[in-house]
Amino acid sequence: SAVISQKPSRDICQRGTSLTIQCQVDSQVTMMFWYRQQPGQSLTLIATANQGSEATYESGFVIDKFPISRPNLTFSTLTVSNMSPEDSSIYLCSVEGLAGVYNEQFFGPGTRLTVL
Amino acid sequence: GENVEQHPSTLSVQEGDSAVIKCTYSDSASNYFPWYKQELGKRPQLIIDIRSNVGEKKDQRIAVTLNKTAKHFSLHITETQPEDSAVYFCAASMIGSWGKLQFGAGTQVVVTP
Repeated sequence: SAVISQKPSRDICQRGTSLTIQCQVDSQVTMMFWYRQQPGQSLTLIATANQGSEATYESGFVIDKFPISRPNLTFSTLTVSNMSPEDSSIYLCSVEGLAGVYNEQFFGPGTRLTVL
Repeated sequence: GENVEQHPSTLSVQEGDSAVIKCTYSDSASNYFPWYKQELGKRPQLIIDIRSNVGEKKDQRIAVTLNKTAKHFSLHITETQPEDSAVYFCAASMIGSWGKLQFGAGTQVVVTP
């Protein structure tokens, strides 16, 4: 099975700063996504990372706050900008299309972000 | 948009007993329904899924059933073991929106020896 990694695994940041989270897959995938999971809560889709074009954001999430890049079929970044304590959460990337199997989505290990 | 409701929020079972988690969805266009298991501090793991052209699917001690008419689907775990203790999430995906999963709120399952 494919390996999905995220960096950093955790970070503590100051209010007003930005953090970029990386997601790397060891094989090409069709789709990459970014989710947020607040403490003790379910998963909420932030955006779909589109290769070679702007990400598609879900309601309540905007590009200025969560800029996303996807330069190729194995890598994506999510930046959390101008952070506030409300951004403290686990951020997870997920991928779809591993080994040509569609619909099945697999998650990275997550990045635990604490904003002070 | 799609709305997925999941019940119960917590479930405590004796080892060896069965556990059942139920989810309902709102949009009849949804046609893909995965279940994820998330252990404390770990990533969600896909454990089983079902598509709308199938009524039931089994994988060892885990089974999922789907009732398209009633728009609900359920996860059944038989012969529960302590390692089944985790949070379980159901999700639904709409036709033409592959990957855009709408998750339920989750069920904390505790299996006591």
